[in-house]
Amino acid sequence: SAVISQKPSRDICQRGTSLTIQCQVDSQVTMMFWYRQQPGQSLTLIATANQGSEATYESGFVIDKFPISRPNLTFSTLTVSNMSPEDSSIYLCSMASGTNTGELFFGEGSRLTVL
Amino acid sequence: AQSVSQHNHHVILSEAASLELGCNYSYGGTVNLFWYVQYPGQHLQLLLKYFSGDPLVKGIKGFEAEFIKSKFSFNLRKPSVQWSDTAEYFCAVNAEFNKFYFGSGTKLNVKP
Repeated sequence: SAVISQKPSRDICQRGTSLTIQCQVDSQVTMMFWYRQQPGQSLTLIATANQGSEATYESGFVIDKFPISRPNLTFSTLTVSNMSPEDSSIYLCSMASGTNTGELFFGEGSRLTVL
Repeated sequence: AQSVSQHNHHVILSEAASLELGCNYSYGGTVNLFWYVQYPGQHLQLLLKYFSGDPLVKGIKGFEAEFIKSKFSFNLRKPSVQWSDTAEYFCAVNAEFNKFYFGSGTKLNVKP
């Protein structure tokens, strides 16, 4: 199975600042995704990170708030911009294996607390 | 939009008790179904999956799940839980190309 590394693993941030989360996969993958897991809630898909083009955002998420980069097939970043306490959450990088019936592999997540 | 419902948010069992966690989804087409588990301090990992064929699927660590199409359900079961099964369990549905929708999770606490 793939190994996905995320950093930072956790951070405490001030309101109004931005933070970039990095995701590194140990093999080339086609599909990379960013999820958010708010306290006591389910995992919610933020966007699909597309290599060489703009990310595809889910309803309720916009590029200005969550800009995503994917410069190559093994790396992606998610920035949480102009943070507020409501952005306190765990952000998860994931990748899909093979075809659309494949499973998802997850990083260990980045726990952000916004004061 | 698809939705996934997990009925039990927090379950407490004694060791050797039987476990059943409910999962229902709303999607009328063909789906792939998954259960993921997150042990304390670890990342999410796949427990079992259903794509097609036998609706009773077996996963790791003695877990199994049954797909009942008429009920839009994919319940997770284990005949006898162990303390090491203490974790959070997520049901997930894949109804579009690599878009996974997750339930809200069930925290299982097994008392030794």
